[in-house]
Amino acid sequence: SQKIEQNSEALNIQEGKTATLTCNYTNYSPAYLQWYRQDPGRGPVFLLLIRENEKEKRKERLKVTFDTTLKQSLFHITASQPADSATYLCALSISGTYKYIFGTGTRLKVLA
Amino acid sequence: GAVVSQHPSRVICKSGTSVKIECRSLDFQATTMFWYRQFPKQSLMLMATSNEGSKATYEQGVEKDKFLINHASLTLSTLTVTSAHPEDSSFYICSAISRGAYNSPLHFGNGTRLTVT
Repeated sequence: SQKIEQNSEALNIQEGKTATLTCNYTNYSPAYLQWYRQDPGRGPVFLLLIRENEKEKRKERLKVTFDTTLKQSLFHITASQPADSATYLCALSISGTYKYIFGTGTRLKVLA
Repeated sequence: GAVVSQHPSRVICKSGTSVKIECRSLDFQATTMFWYRQFPKQSLMLMATSNEGSKATYEQGVEKDKFLINHASLTLSTLTVTSAHPEDSSFYICSAISRGAYNSPLHFGNGTRLTVT
């Protein structure tokens, strides 16, 4: 069955460092992969989308990579700030539909 | 742009009663809306897909008679939890897409915390 795995434990990093979050998947070939940020008690907010034929996408301090051979996406936040502390979710498209399957998320805490 | 409003943000109800949750797209037309359920420290679990003017499509294991979904207009979808029980207590979130493309980002509401006593 399809499975998505993200770093299950919380990730603590020091302010100014680069945070790297991982999204691995199995039994799946998504055409699109999205990353979202979710704050406690709130709905997720869209950050970035990357297509299967794209290796890398950037937006300001954010960078996403998509390796369809490894079945993995990496999400980087450079020059991290305490305000970046949140849970980050990856989501994979389901072929032929508008639906996405979400990973469990990684809780990031940036320490001042 | 692309704001989704979900109401109420919190609701407490007694076991056996029904609760309605509204999801509105404020500045765009949402041809498709999705309803999710999220347990603490777990992922979003898709419950159903709602298309304007047609019946909702439910995911496997979701009781359509218990979770009634209505998508009467391009800006409003509602989820009614009927005969709620304590095990229905959860965080319910809706999302909408503003155009019919497979790479459309999902615009989420801020969720509804349902507590059934």
